[in-house]
Amino acid sequence: QMQLQESGPGLVKPAETLSLTCTVSGGSISSNSYYWAWIRQPPGKGLEWVGSIFHSGSTYYGPSLKSRVTISVDTSKNQFSLKLNSVTAADTAVFYCTRHSVHGANDFWGQGTLVTVSS
Amino acid sequence: QSVLTQSPSVSAAPGQKVTISCSGSSSNIESNYVSWYQQLPGTAPKLLIYENNKRPSGIPDRFSGSKSGTSATLGITGLQTGDEADYHCGTWDSSLSAHVFGPGTKVTVL
Repeated sequence: QMQLQESGPGLVKPAETLSLTCTVSGGSISSNSYYWAWIRQPPGKGLEWVGSIFHSGSTYYGPSLKSRVTISVDTSKNQFSLKLNSVTAADTAVFYCTRHSVHGANDFWGQGTLVTVSS
Repeated sequence: QSVLTQSPSVSAAPGQKVTISCSGSSSNIESNYVSWYQQLPGTAPKLLIYENNKRPSGIPDRFSGSKSGTSATLGITGLQTGDEADYHCGTWDSSLSAHVFGPGTKVTVL
């Protein structure tokens, strides 16, 4: 059974860069049928798609965060990563890594990791 | 502010049926596939419905999805206490070039 696990600091200072990694197990990140994504959820609010990556390295990002986001993939480690720079308190959220189909259905999710932006 | 709208909450007694609607526009729901997710308190969302009306393996047939025009609907029959959760719809928005989600609907079992 495929599993995804987020890792990274739970506390980031304002104006710094948030960095998270998602490790995929039980399947290959190099599948030609799926994309890999980051989705975030501020406390008590809804889901927001951050961006997605294909194993080739091709990326696409949500319009509201596009200028601050970089997603990369390391197929040798079966991992993909998120960097969000110039963070503010508004970026405090639970970040999930997911696998999704070309039609956008997210069928596997990590457990989520809370990242708090605070000095 | 999401481009998809959902009622904030819905409630019903055990064994009853609830429907959750997700309203959008021609650039998202009408022209793209819709998926639905169940989020139990304190957990990650779980895929319930994909491609408008398909259920992943392991999802009981008490859960159903449909789409008509710019709206999509999730139905839950035989409501159980374990169904108390937030339910989110999601789709692609061709104008925004973005995956979008509704704000979520909280289901309460009375």
